[in-house]
Amino acid sequence: GAGVSQSPRYKVTKRGQDVALRCDPISGHVSLYWYRQALGQGPEFLTYFNYEAQQDKSGLPNDRFSAERPEGSISTLTIQRTEQRDSAMYRCASSSDRGGNSPLHFGNGTRLTVT
Amino acid sequence: QQPVQSPQAVILREGEDAVINCSSSKALYSVHWYRQKHGEAPVFLMILLKGGEQKGHEKISASFNEKKQQSSLYLTASQLSYSGTYFCGTDRSGTYKYIFGTGTRLKVLA
Repeated sequence: GAGVSQSPRYKVTKRGQDVALRCDPISGHVSLYWYRQALGQGPEFLTYFNYEAQQDKSGLPNDRFSAERPEGSISTLTIQRTEQRDSAMYRCASSSDRGGNSPLHFGNGTRLTVT
Repeated sequence: QQPVQSPQAVILREGEDAVINCSSSKALYSVHWYRQKHGEAPVFLMILLKGGEQKGHEKISASFNEKKQQSSLYLTASQLSYSGTYFCGTDRSGTYKYIFGTGTRLKVLA
């Protein structure tokens, strides 16, 4: 069984460009989470899905950030008109069910650098 | 709203014990604990649910005090492999929105 897969691993983009970050969760996992992590800090919640439904997007910093999971599997986090402050590690995690007794399995992340 | 962990950092010798605390200002439904090594993804250690306690590993255990809105992670007879940053992840009232704590950096020396 493969783990959570994220692509690309590294993304360098120029300010003002749009980027799309992809997450492929563990097969069959119901819940999918997006986090942003600064160096030395804990993961910062962005949004999460149960199946294809976005349950909570309160952590998205502003309307330049959006996420989707149209078929309840792969998810894309899109950042429009990127700014330098968007530079960070973006991590995806999946969980086998919606209950609190299921661990989050994290991917290796996408390191985004906005120049 | 972010849970506060203490201590921020701790250095141990192999074989010594450590306690890491996680405190929330909000009522908690469950608490997760994760360990992250430098350059790697966080790895799950254990979950504690409201009204119960679950031990995930032989020498690593945890407690969950719902009234105090606190959880503690206990590391006994530490090994070099325990080095890393520990995070608690909290879920308030079953919303499944996991908010992670400020982190505790632990280093075990030979």
